[in-house]
Amino acid sequence: QVQVAESGGGVVQPGRSLRLSCAASGFTFSRFPMHWVRQAPGKGLEWVAVTSHDENNKYYADSVKGRFTISRDNSKNTLYLQMNSLRAEDTAVYFCARDDFGGVDVWGQGTTVTVSS
Amino acid sequence: DVVMTQSPLSLPVTPGQPASISCRSSQSLVYSDGNTYLNWFHQRPGQSPRRLIYKVSNRDSGVPDRFSGSGSGTDFTLKIIRVEAEDVGVYYCMQGTHWPWTFGQGTKVEIK
Repeated sequence: QVQVAESGGGVVQPGRSLRLSCAASGFTFSRFPMHWVRQAPGKGLEWVAVTSHDENNKYYADSVKGRFTISRDNSKNTLYLQMNSLRAEDTAVYFCARDDFGGVDVWGQGTTVTVSS
Repeated sequence: DVVMTQSPLSLPVTPGQPASISCRSSQSLVYSDGNTYLNWFHQRPGQSPRRLIYKVSNRDSGVPDRFSGSGSGTDFTLKIIRVEAEDVGVYYCMQGTHWPWTFGQGTKVEIK
């Protein structure tokens, strides 16, 4: 069964760091670009970042550029999001998603990040 | 950034009746390879989004054929020919042509 599962969320103080993980299974992870998408409480979806299958290309939303880093370990079928200098506005559910046909076709259940003092 | 504008933002529907959601982009979504990377997603309360449509009009596996997508350039539409109770939730369009990818604001579909 094709699936991805996020972990690593929690409550963190402003200015601190957190690393999210996304474990993939049921497909050849190393062949697919992967994305992070987030959803603030009661709000819509916001695309955050993408990495190509080989990490040669990465793109970020302006709202996280310079603070967040997307990476992957194809030997472990795992995607990461290193989040530094966290702000209250980064509070959201973070979804990991697989790239397919210029969109994302497989989503995880999400992991919740709360930035609060 | 490409702005995706959906309308309406709220859509009360009657089961068995059709429904339609519009999505307009601030720039053409035709990519250099000739494809148009416009997607539609459905999100039920408390759940992850599920993609329904990719590249304007292609249904994802398992998506009922009562859902259809159409459009071109900057103007796109998601149609449900006969709404069912399970179709409630929020629908989002998303463009995957230009970086950064951007979503519409969402259209909340509820049963009358």
